[in-house]
Amino acid sequence: GAGVSQSPSNKVTEKGKDVELRCDPISGHTALYWYRQSLGQGLEFLIYFQGNSAPDKSGLPSDRFSAERTGGSVSTLTIQRTQQEDSAVYLCASSLTGSIHEQYFGPGTRLTVT
Amino acid sequence: AQSVAQPEDQVNVAEGNPLTVKCTYSVSGNPYLFWYVQYPNRGLQFLLKYITGDNLVKGSYGFEAEFNKSQTSFHLKKPSALVSDSALYFCAVRASSGNTGKLIFGQGTTLQVKP
Repeated sequence: GAGVSQSPSNKVTEKGKDVELRCDPISGHTALYWYRQSLGQGLEFLIYFQGNSAPDKSGLPSDRFSAERTGGSVSTLTIQRTQQEDSAVYLCASSLTGSIHEQYFGPGTRLTVT
Repeated sequence: AQSVAQPEDQVNVAEGNPLTVKCTYSVSGNPYLFWYVQYPNRGLQFLLKYITGDNLVKGSYGFEAEFNKSQTSFHLKKPSALVSDSALYFCAVRASSGNTGKLIFGQGTTLQVKP
């Protein structure tokens, strides 16, 4: 079946601009996650959605970052007023539930802030 | 706080030899443990997990891992390495309690298998 998809695959933006990254999870998966992968910081958790529960936003690095998940499916990660330190690969994952089930990752969006 | 340590940045083995990639963890309560592999310019692929039960778990591509509670370790192993196993490997943990599914990842270990 179809895996997790993300778009765009690459995004180059100027410092100060806003960007939106999209994630389509695997159909039927109730849990959705965003992570960030960068050379200096490794893999960092950003945010977690589980069904209709309030999301776990504990990993968002600043209030410039926000995410939503509409209709329990597609998710959008928005970064406002981008900074150079936001440059990274943003990975989305989904899982059947948020407990014992493994997470399946998308290919990522490589964000470059110039 | 939860944490994962992968003490080796890189592991080098010859094709056909056994390989071990080390992982230790720290978590409150019982852990759920995972191994993922990342090939160049690709996303993470799930290899195997430990939730409960038998301490030796088997996963994809002939990999296995042993959960050792007393040593808080979850080392990844394979009896005979292939050149195609060369990739970046991540160990991850989450606590079995609490209502967050987030994974805490180690820094990753690059496995280099030479012919």
